[in-house]
Amino acid sequence: EVHLLESGGGLVQPGGSLRLTCAAAGFTFSNYAMSWVRQAPGKGLEWVSVISASGASTYYADSVKGRFTISRDSSKNTVFLQMKSLRADDTAVYFCAKVPLKWVVPGAYDYWGQGALVTVSS
Amino acid sequence: DIVMTQTPLSLSATPGQPASISCKSSESLLHSDGKTYLCWYLQKPGHPPQLLIYEVSNRFSGVPDRFSGSGSGTDFTLKISRVEAEDVGVYYCMQSLQLPITFGQGTRLEIK
Repeated sequence: EVHLLESGGGLVQPGGSLRLTCAAAGFTFSNYAMSWVRQAPGKGLEWVSVISASGASTYYADSVKGRFTISRDSSKNTVFLQMKSLRADDTAVYFCAKVPLKWVVPGAYDYWGQGALVTVSS
Repeated sequence: DIVMTQTPLSLSATPGQPASISCKSSESLLHSDGKTYLCWYLQKPGHPPQLLIYEVSNRFSGVPDRFSGSGSGTDFTLKISRVEAEDVGVYYCMQSLQLPITFGQGTRLEIK
């Protein structure tokens, strides 16, 4: 059974940093791209970033480019989202999601974690 | 970026009756491999999105057959043949043809 578990969320001041972790289980992690999607309180879904299965390719939404960094450690079946220069509008639940192929597109995200809440506030 | 537009944004359905949601994309979602990369999710209250339909009309593992998807190019529809109480939540369409991945605004389904 596929299982994704996010951790590392919390309250951070504007301008601060936070690193989210997504631990994966139940599939061959190194064979699949992984993604982060966020949802601001009461709002819809917003794609944030994706990393290829090898980790060699990464892509970001314009809203986070230059501030967020996605990475993965296939030895630990883990994907990370390093977030810097956080702003109030980064407040959201951050979901990690599995991409059903090695490359970043095309393909529906088939499994999602429960999410980690990040609150940016002073 | 591909813009995804859902209608309606809210829907009130009677148990046992059908319901449908429309999703339109600003560009064709047809890939050179012949597949169309449009999928549907249901997000139940307090839960992450769950995949219902991928590549327009394929039900994901474990999804009841009362859910069906149709469409082509830029116009797509999710249909629920007989709504049940457990179907409440917000439905999203998503295009995964190209980056950035984009979602529709969501359609909130409530039960009468």
